[in-house]
Amino acid sequence: GAGVSQSPRYKVAKRGQDVALRCDPISGHVSLFWYQQALGQGPEFLTYFQNEAQLDKSGLPSDRFFAERPEGSVSTLKIQRTQQEDSAVYLCASSLVAGGGDVKTQYFGPGTRLLVL
Amino acid sequence: AQSVTQPDIHITVSEGASLELRCNYSYGATPYLFWYVQSPGQGLQLLLKYFSGDTLVQGIKGFEAEFKRSQSSFNLRKPSVHWSDAAEYFCALNTGGFKTIFGAGTRLFVKA
Repeated sequence: GAGVSQSPRYKVAKRGQDVALRCDPISGHVSLFWYQQALGQGPEFLTYFQNEAQLDKSGLPSDRFFAERPEGSVSTLKIQRTQQEDSAVYLCASSLVAGGGDVKTQYFGPGTRLLVL
Repeated sequence: AQSVTQPDIHITVSEGASLELRCNYSYGATPYLFWYVQSPGQGLQLLLKYFSGDTLVQGIKGFEAEFKRSQSSFNLRKPSVHWSDAAEYFCALNTGGFKTIFGAGTRLFVKA
């Protein structure tokens, strides 16, 4: 597609529910990133994929957070047993790796706004 | 540790006035530097980036930024602000790895 897409755009969950957030990166982009953006803050890195390999998950806040990208394209961020502090906007970004000077330029999706009640 | 500081939480300028948004970073070498803009309900849009070379970089929508190594700064400027520029602006750095570190953002208000 033309850009990074995310779904759903909004999600309301009851505390304790599991949620799954989807990201469709730009076609051909090898790198995929997930960020968490709390209200009034900048995005904070969660995890990084190069193709299907999750090379860095150091930013995941707890073991309730899990991300996958099984075929190297679409990615899903799953949050188990959601807590109120998980309420945030979850941003996905992709970038083109392997060649070119733009390897560090990330293209962001619109985000999923998660509200945990 | 690397960090990005945007000292101004919010700034108000009159339409047509000039704009400068401040960004300071902490890193021992020259990082990759970015400015993004985020409108309400939207993702981040890249305005401009600095990787190397000319320290004055031009971006989209009439924005420019100047990298000053001696001051560890990468301030964003625009000579004449339009009402549509009202948004949140984020400065970010990358040191060559997977992580990009963002500042807390500066919200720009434009008054008529």
